[in-house]
Amino acid sequence: KQEVTQIPAALSVPEGENLVLNCSFTDSAIYNLQWFRQDPGKGLTSLLLIQSSQREQTSGRLNASLDKSSGRSTLYIAASQPGDSATYLCAVKEYGNKLVFGAGTILRVKS
Amino acid sequence: NAGVTQTPKFRVLKTGQSMTLLCAQDMNHEYMYWYRQDPGMGLRLIHYSVGEGTTAKGEVPDGYNVSRLKKQNFLLGLESAAPSQTSVYFCASSYWQGHDSPLHFGNGTRLTVT
Repeated sequence: KQEVTQIPAALSVPEGENLVLNCSFTDSAIYNLQWFRQDPGKGLTSLLLIQSSQREQTSGRLNASLDKSSGRSTLYIAASQPGDSATYLCAVKEYGNKLVFGAGTILRVKS
Repeated sequence: NAGVTQTPKFRVLKTGQSMTLLCAQDMNHEYMYWYRQDPGMGLRLIHYSVGEGTTAKGEVPDGYNVSRLKKQNFLLGLESAAPSQTSVYFCASSYWQGHDSPLHFGNGTRLTVT
């Protein structure tokens, strides 16, 4: 059974820091990996989607990498801002088209 | 630009009561999903639909029923609510189930069963 783990569970950093969020998965038979952002009381917003054949995707200050063979992905946030404070979730789309989510990392960027 | 709309936003039920959660999307998406989110856990799939008139079970379907009578609407029903169903429920949709098709989520329904 696919399991997705996100470390750390919570992270607090001062504004301006570069930071890395980690996501690991147990079964490398995946189609893609997605990173989502969730604001309090809101739904999830898709940030980046990396196909299994890709190594990374970038959007603005966000860069996500994927190492399928080792079952790892990282989300890099450059020059963090208070507006980046949210919960970040990763999810893998496994064969059979199901999305399996991690529990998320709660990020707080202090001004 | 409504996207995915869920109603209601909040609800409190007593054990044994029933209710229906409504999800509506205006993006002409074929695929729709119901998830629940519990503290410390990732989202878990309850039921999903690959098109109008079709539904299928997800990871945690027990105690829930769904219907997709119209393409734009996906209903989640609780026939006899239990405290274990206290959760935040999210509806999502996607254009197709292709591997480059991201999910679009509603803002959730917070349900408390006492």
